[in-house]
Amino acid sequence: SAVISQKPSRDICQRGTSLTIQCQVDSQVTMMFWYRQQPGQSLTLIATANQGSEATYESGFVIDKFPISRPNLTFSTLTVSNMSPEDSSIYLCSVVVGQSDSNQPQHFGDGTRLSIL
Amino acid sequence: QKEVEQNSGPLSVPEGAIASLNCTYSDRGSQSFFWYRQYSGKSPELIMSIYSNGDKEDGRFTAQLNKASQYVSLLIRDSQPSDSATYLCAVKPPTDKLIFGTGTRLQVFP
Repeated sequence: SAVISQKPSRDICQRGTSLTIQCQVDSQVTMMFWYRQQPGQSLTLIATANQGSEATYESGFVIDKFPISRPNLTFSTLTVSNMSPEDSSIYLCSVVVGQSDSNQPQHFGDGTRLSIL
Repeated sequence: QKEVEQNSGPLSVPEGAIASLNCTYSDRGSQSFFWYRQYSGKSPELIMSIYSNGDKEDGRFTAQLNKASQYVSLLIRDSQPSDSATYLCAVKPPTDKLIFGTGTRLQVFP
């Protein structure tokens, strides 16, 4: 499987600020996703990052709050905008490697642990 | 609403025993099933994929799939304290995104 590097690994931010999280993969991948995992909870899909076009957001998530870029097949960013304490969470990048068969498993980066004061 | 359900646990087993983790899903058309292990403070790690009815073995891990009954299970033989983690079941419906269960916390005690 691919090596997925996510940074920063953790950050503590002030209310009202924004943070951009980067996800870099060491090989071209067909699909990239961004998830949120709140304390003690399972994974919630924020959006699918589409190469060269706007991300596809899940219900409850909007582009103004979570803008996503994916300029190529190996890199994506997620910005958490105008942060509030409710945004304190782990943010995870995941990828599908290989053919564009959507039944292939996803592999996760190490995550970004975000705390908002 | 498409769902994946797991018992949250904790499931406590003694070292050396077999741990049995279960998962049920609602979308009968689902074709792909995955088990992830997540240690506290870490990201999920894929440990098994299964696509066909029956058993699939990989080392101490065996995934079992029964599409007629809509359940998938994970057996861990010779459980070790290092297996203590949360195990997430994930199911891929045919026309929807991957759906994760809430996870079962496994505790293996010496």
